[in-house]
Amino acid sequence: SAVISQKPSRDICQRGTSLTIQCQVDSQVTMMFWYRQQPGQSLTLIATANQGSEATYESGFVIDKFPISRPNLTFSTLTVSNMSPEDSSIYLCSATRGGAYTFGSGTRLTVV
Amino acid sequence: QQPVQSPQAVILREGEDAVINCSSSKALYSVHWYRQKHGEAPVFLMILLKGGEQKGHEKISASFNEKKQQSSLYLTASQLSYSGTYFCGTEENNDMRFGAGTRLTVKP
Repeated sequence: SAVISQKPSRDICQRGTSLTIQCQVDSQVTMMFWYRQQPGQSLTLIATANQGSEATYESGFVIDKFPISRPNLTFSTLTVSNMSPEDSSIYLCSATRGGAYTFGSGTRLTVV
Repeated sequence: QQPVQSPQAVILREGEDAVINCSSSKALYSVHWYRQKHGEAPVFLMILLKGGEQKGHEKISASFNEKKQQSSLYLTASQLSYSGTYFCGTEENNDMRFGAGTRLTVKP
């Protein structure tokens, strides 16, 4: 399975600012995914990122708020824009290879 | 659409068995199972493909009944290390959607 490095691992941000989360995969993968997880809850898919095309967003998530880049087959970023306290959560990237989904270690975001 | 998991939580003594269920209102071609320990990322346990094949991982096994659109995860002779939250996942248009999770606690 793929190995994913995600950073930052945590951050405390002021409301109204933006944070960019980076994920690096140890091998080329076609699709990468971004999830949000509130403490004690399930993972909610934000968007799917394919290299060379615009990301596909789930209902309730928009590109202006969560712009995603996928410049190559091993890297993706998620930006949380114009943050509010409601954006406080854990954000995880994921990739699949050979059927199994592997996750980055997550970014714990607190907006104050 | 999110699969439905049950129960929400289970508390076991070491050595006891547990079953976690996952069902979907849509036709399933595969079901994934993941375990997440507190403060960590989910870890892949197994994938079950259409065909009803049963898979195993340590003393954890699972079944998949695509006709009933259900999967079950069986944890036998549970160990302390089995504690965590278990998620089933179903793929839809190449996107993985997870159930709400089952919190498993194994006590000595």
